[in-house]
Amino acid sequence: AQSVSQHNHHVILSEAASLELGCNYSYGGTVNLFWYVQYPGQHLQLLLKYFSGDPLVKGIKGFEAEFIKSKFSFNLRKPSVQWSDTAEYFCAVIPWEYGNKLVFGAGTILRVKS
Amino acid sequence: GAGVSQSPSNKVTEKGKDVELRCDPISGHTALYWYRQSLGQGLEFLIYFQGNSAPDKSGLPSDRFSAERTGGSVSTLTIQRTQQEDSAVYLCASSPGTAGPSYEQYFGPGTRLTVT
Repeated sequence: AQSVSQHNHHVILSEAASLELGCNYSYGGTVNLFWYVQYPGQHLQLLLKYFSGDPLVKGIKGFEAEFIKSKFSFNLRKPSVQWSDTAEYFCAVIPWEYGNKLVFGAGTILRVKS
Repeated sequence: GAGVSQSPSNKVTEKGKDVELRCDPISGHTALYWYRQSLGQGLEFLIYFQGNSAPDKSGLPSDRFSAERTGGSVSTLTIQRTQQEDSAVYLCASSPGTAGPSYEQYFGPGTRLTVT
């Protein structure tokens, strides 16, 4: 079945470590790509999105993601994490043929140790 | 400005009872979505309303689930004869339109439904 895969379910990092969360999707054709974050006790909010153009997109709070079409990937990165980045991160895709429905990955829980 | 609001924030119900969950989208947003977040299934699309078009119900898991959107604004998700597997957080989102680089879905805080 077509899907969105996030490779790590749990990640634990120390403050100042670099972060990369993997996301792969299996839809062919045009896709719109998103990363959402859910901080403890808060609702989902958008970190960044890719529609077209420069495949390296920058989002809020120092996050960035790179769209690599040939690898069907949209990995999230941050050079130096902070304790406040502790949250659950969701990769999401809107495949062109799906209209406007987000298809989410399973999520990655990030814990940053202070 | 005000974001997407949902009520109630928590709902505990007995198996077999009907429940209604409410969503107030951001004012002016033409599109409204319902998703479900559960431990076993992650985040799943349920139903989508866009303007006056017929809703996309392709994600509803059974005919016990239905939703309506009145006046292009408030939406109600109804679950009839609730089952324990319906226990989840039900999320509502809205967006100002469809497609385009500015497109984004804004999520509400969710309703946590527990079926006992």
